[in-house]
Amino acid sequence: EAQVTQNPRYLITVTGKKLTVTCSQNMNHEYMSWYRQDPGLGLRQIYYSMNVEVTDKGDVPEGYKVSRKEKRNFPLILESPSPNQTSLYFCASSPIDSILDSPLHFGNGTRLTVT
Amino acid sequence: KQEVTQIPAALSVPEGENLVLNCSFTDSAIYNLQWFRQDPGKGLTSLLLIQSSQREQTSGRLNASLDKSSGRSTLYIAASQPGDSATYLCAVRPRGDYKLSFGAGTTVTVRA
Repeated sequence: EAQVTQNPRYLITVTGKKLTVTCSQNMNHEYMSWYRQDPGLGLRQIYYSMNVEVTDKGDVPEGYKVSRKEKRNFPLILESPSPNQTSLYFCASSPIDSILDSPLHFGNGTRLTVT
Repeated sequence: KQEVTQIPAALSVPEGENLVLNCSFTDSAIYNLQWFRQDPGKGLTSLLLIQSSQREQTSGRLNASLDKSSGRSTLYIAASQPGDSATYLCAVRPRGDYKLSFGAGTTVTVRA
């Protein structure tokens, strides 16, 4: 089944403790992206990647890092999480040759709470 | 900067009533507009994608219209069912950009 898989689904952590949220897709998509969703604000893009070893900042990259060493994986790293990073996070992917016309494929989300 | 607004934030209707969901955007220079459905604990599922050259797009009971000049799109869901209860988001892709700008969504409850 074609899918985008995020882990973990739920995560509670404390301020300053480094964490990684994994994202993996099995559709051979070049484009991958991370979003955060907060009440009343819609989805905001954190980082995106057009292909292996190519990453770029979205609208709200502060406090986050990403890497794209393999095509299928696009982990989101919080080196020193803070309470304002408490949010619902989504990973998404799309083929690059039809990126403008194809809908994004989303994972099921990771709910992160930082205390 | 593109701003996407969805009003109302929440809507409750009895089963069988037609749903009308609104999306407005500030910059009419768009490439396309997408409507997504979000269920609790799930990711977003694409419902309809309308190209800037199109006026509407239909899929089953869903119909989305686009008026670029006025910066509006409307999603119609005919004969609503309790299974239509979800949050519906619209997203706009500007011309010359890969990035989508999302609205905050309208949460719909269809009462049996």
